[in-house]
Amino acid sequence: SQKIEQNSEALNIQEGKTATLTCNYTNYSPAYLQWYRQDPGRGPVFLLLIRENEKEKRKERLKVTFDTTLKQSLFHITASQPADSATYLCALDRHNNDMRFGAGTRLTVKP
Amino acid sequence: GAVVSQHPSRVICKSGTSVKIECRSLDFQATTMFWYRQFPKQSLMLMATSNEGSKATYEQGVEKDKFLINHASLTLSTLTVTSAHPEDSSFYICSASPNTGFQETQYFGPGTRLLVL
Repeated sequence: SQKIEQNSEALNIQEGKTATLTCNYTNYSPAYLQWYRQDPGRGPVFLLLIRENEKEKRKERLKVTFDTTLKQSLFHITASQPADSATYLCALDRHNNDMRFGAGTRLTVKP
Repeated sequence: GAVVSQHPSRVICKSGTSVKIECRSLDFQATTMFWYRQFPKQSLMLMATSNEGSKATYEQGVEKDKFLINHASLTLSTLTVTSAHPEDSSFYICSASPNTGFQETQYFGPGTRLLVL
């Protein structure tokens, strides 16, 4: 069966450090993978999309990698700030643009 | 741009009543909208795909007669939870992609918190 696993339910890091979140998938061949941020009681907010033929994508302090051989995506936040504290979700496309989400990793950045 | 709204943001109802949740794309048209449900500390689970002018496509295990979806226009989809029970209490979120341009990114509404007593 298809699975999307975000390996850490929670991640605590110190302000200024780089946060690295992992998304692994099985029995999937996604055309693209997306990362979203979700704050408590709110809907997810789109951050980055990376396609199957792209290795890496950056946006300001964010960096995403996509290894289709390992079936893994890494999401990095450099120079982390307390305001980065949130739950981060990875999502893989299925078809018709609908997506499957991982369970999320709750990131806490301590000052 | 690309704003999606939901109404109401929070609703409390008695068991056995029906609740309607609206999802609107405010500044774009969307042929397709998606409805998700999220239980505490769990991820979003796709319930159904709402198609303007046609029947919704439901995910396996989601009762179409219980969760009625109407996509009457390119900017509005509604989800009605019929005969709600306490186990239907959850966070319901809709999303949509603009018909034009980059369609792979979905824009999510702020969610509706449903509590069935």
